[in-house]
Amino acid sequence: QVQLQESGPGLVKPSQTLSLTCTVSGGSISSGSYYWSWIRQPAGKGLEWIGRIYTSGSTNYNPSLKSRVTISVDTSKNQFSLKLSSVTAADTAVYYCAVDYGDYVFGYWGQGTLVTVSS
Amino acid sequence: DIQMTQSPSSLSASVGDRVTITCQASQDISNYLNWYQQKPGKAPKLLIYDASNLETGVPSRFSGSGSGTDFTFTISSLQPEDIATYYCQQYDNLPPAFGGGTKVEIK
Repeated sequence: QVQLQESGPGLVKPSQTLSLTCTVSGGSISSGSYYWSWIRQPAGKGLEWIGRIYTSGSTNYNPSLKSRVTISVDTSKNQFSLKLSSVTAADTAVYYCAVDYGDYVFGYWGQGTLVTVSS
Repeated sequence: DIQMTQSPSSLSASVGDRVTITCQASQDISNYLNWYQQKPGKAPKLLIYDASNLETGVPSRFSGSGSGTDFTFTISSLQPEDIATYYCQQYDNLPPAFGGGTKVEIK
């Protein structure tokens, strides 16, 4: 079974870039079986899809975040990454990486990592 | 963007009760709807996809129905381990969007 683990700084200053990595185990990110998504959840609030990437490097982003988001994949490390630029306090959230079966059906999730934006 | 409205936002029921949650889409999404369970401090877990299909390994007391704009999620007999927040999610149009959640508690 595929397992995912998020990693990255837990504290980011306003206006800087948030960078997270998701390490995949139990399966190859380059198998072509899945898409790889990022989803976030502010404390006590609902879930927001950020974007996804396919093995080929093809991406889809939430239009509300598109101007600030970059998702990339490193098949040699079996990892994919999220960069969110010009962050504000509104970007404070638990960030999850997830397996997307291909139709925006999120079948496996990482445990999540809390990122706080604060000076 | 498609808006997803869940109701109620919270409910309290007794063990063994039948629990029903509704989700309404702001436009027709056919059957492109998923349901997730999120326990406190944990990641969401996929329970139902395509409105009514049970994900592998999910207990049969969970079920979903509906199409178009109106959907229902049911727990046929509430168990203590079902305490969680439940979310619907549409994937007919980009961006995929989640409902606001329904928190289920034991009475």
